[in-house]
Amino acid sequence: AQKITQTQPGMFVQEKEAVTLDCTYDTSDQSYGLFWYKQPSSGEMIFLIYQGSYDEQNATEGRYSLNFQKARKSANLVISASQLGDSAMYFCAMRIQGAQKLVFGQGTRLTINP
Amino acid sequence: GAGVSQSPSNKVTEKGKDVELRCDPISGHTALYWYRQSLGQGLEFLIYFQGNSAPDKSGLPSDRFSAERTGGSVSTLTIQRTQQEDSAVYLCASSLVGTSVYNEQFFGPGTRLTVL
Repeated sequence: AQKITQTQPGMFVQEKEAVTLDCTYDTSDQSYGLFWYKQPSSGEMIFLIYQGSYDEQNATEGRYSLNFQKARKSANLVISASQLGDSAMYFCAMRIQGAQKLVFGQGTRLTINP
Repeated sequence: GAGVSQSPSNKVTEKGKDVELRCDPISGHTALYWYRQSLGQGLEFLIYFQGNSAPDKSGLPSDRFSAERTGGSVSTLTIQRTQQEDSAVYLCASSLVGTSVYNEQFFGPGTRLTVL
């Protein structure tokens, strides 16, 4: 079975600082994908970034990057130059090859202070 | 709009009543998913539909929960004899299906269900 662990229930960061949200995963499958979603207070889930297990380079999307350390089974999200609008819940999720469902972590609530 | 839509946005019901939650996926997306987000359990997979294949119901918590997808598009999640522990946000998502493990799921705004 797959499992996603997010050990930071809450994070507080000053605006313009970089922030790292931790995610570790557990699977015996070799082919899988890792996803990060943002959930603002409005409730919708917004896709941020994806990393495939065979991708050799870390994924980047604008201010978001994924620090993928396969041997340690970690997929941390890095947000550079944080903004007030980054305040939200952040979920790490995994999907293994052949399965369709996403398995989510418990989430991290990020608060950006002005 | 072009996104996943869900209705109602909020539903308050009394314990023991049946409820129906609706999801309208993105046009052209053949895969549809239901998830439940509750305080104690986080985000849990409920059920998955893909085209005309038999749905994956492995996440449904009890036989009070059922879902159907008509015409390969709109889906309805039905909860019979609701209990207070059914209170949660029910999220629907849709996606294209391909052979790649990358398969972005697009989520709707959710239906917040409160069982009194």
